Amino acid sequence: KAGVTQTPRYLIKTRGQQVTLSCSPISGHRSVSWYQQTPGQGLQFLFEYFSETQRNKGNFPGRFSGRQFSNSRSEMNVSTLELGDSALYLCASSPRWTQVGSYEQYFGPGTRLTVT
Amino acid sequence: QKEVEQNSGPLSVPEGAIASLNCTYSDRGSQSFFWYRQYSGKSPELIMFIYSNGDKEDGRFTAQLNKASQYVSLLIRDSQPSDSATYLCAVLSSNTGKLIFGQGTTLQVKP
Repeated sequence: KAGVTQTPRYLIKTRGQQVTLSCSPISGHRSVSWYQQTPGQGLQFLFEYFSETQRNKGNFPGRFSGRQFSNSRSEMNVSTLELGDSALYLCASSPRWTQVGSYEQYFGPGTRLTVT
Repeated sequence: QKEVEQNSGPLSVPEGAIASLNCTYSDRGSQSFFWYRQYSGKSPELIMFIYSNGDKEDGRFTAQLNKASQYVSLLIRDSQPSDSATYLCAVLSSNTGKLIFGQGTTLQVKP
């Protein structure tokens, strides 16, 4: 099976711009989660989608948003970029929703976002 | 108190030794526990998951879970230099349904 794919892999933006990142989960996986990883804060949960519905949300400002399509592909959007948004953004797919039994997440390669 | 705590390390072991990585968690109701390996510049890779008290073995890796003491550990036998990476412990919160990650322990295996 093909793994989780994320596009683009690298991105450079300037403050105030917006950005959209894309994630395609493993075939058959219906849950997609997004994380931000920085050296200082580690891996922080952004949100999770299952069947096109946001099932869980982390403690990030409203500038961070996401959505999921009927084919389980997901996008996340960050508006009005700030310098502190520079990070590795990781997408993870799972066959199940978090509240249902076991839960294994498989990560994509990530998108490295640099805000200047 | 952090929800998931790990010693940041680095933990340095000689090649061929057993590396022991530990993780404690605060949510007593948690049922699912995961270990990820992350090489520098790469994304986390799931290497073990454990749901029941006791040990779970997979090749050179053994995950140990003690719910009463609220800790989970990862043992790596016959450590190899290629095992040098950051190991992330993750716990599925019973309260929020979110996967909570520790800060990770850096393991260095010296030839």
